[in-house]
Amino acid sequence: DGGITQSPKYLFRKEGQNVTLSCEQNLNHDAMYWYRQDPGQGLRLIYYSQIVNDFQKGDIAEGYSVSREKKESFPLTVTSAQKNPTAFYLCASSISKLAGEETQYFGPGTRLLVL
Amino acid sequence: AQSVSQHNHHVILSEAASLELGCNYSYGGTVNLFWYVQYPGQHLQLLLKYFSGDPLVKGIKGFEAEFIKSKFSFNLRKPSVQWSDTAEYFCAVSREYGNKLVFGAGTILRVKS
Repeated sequence: DGGITQSPKYLFRKEGQNVTLSCEQNLNHDAMYWYRQDPGQGLRLIYYSQIVNDFQKGDIAEGYSVSREKKESFPLTVTSAQKNPTAFYLCASSISKLAGEETQYFGPGTRLLVL
Repeated sequence: AQSVSQHNHHVILSEAASLELGCNYSYGGTVNLFWYVQYPGQHLQLLLKYFSGDPLVKGIKGFEAEFIKSKFSFNLRKPSVQWSDTAEYFCAVSREYGNKLVFGAGTILRVKS
């Protein structure tokens, strides 16, 4: 059954703590993305990766980090430098390196809450 | 910077009413256009997309959208909504051969039965 999985569904972060959100896809897609969704603001791009071992900052990368060591995996770390991390985080993938041409497919999301 | 505007944040309709959700973008070059939908508790999923060709695009569940280049618009329409259309709808735009998808703020549609 092909698709994108994200874990955990809910994540709680204490002040000063780094947390990592998992994203895995078995669609054999080249490109992967992380978005942050806040009410009334739509989705904003955090980081994206068009190929293994390469990634680029999106519009709101400050306080976040990523890695792309495997084609199927693109974990996002929310660092303590991110002062307002409470949000819904969505991972997506697309088949092509030229991401603008291809449809992006989304995972179920992870809701991050700060204690 | 490229931006996408959705005209209404909340829309409430009765079943069988017609729907039109507005979307305007700011980029002047060639663009790819998308409407995504997020049903309560479900993944964000593609409703329809426009890359080229016929500017009237038909999608799933009876939705359609019309690309009007001169107005920088890509409005979503459905002639008769159902209660099951209750969801949040997002317009998104990317430049041809670009590498970023820019989303609008979303429109929450509630259909009363």
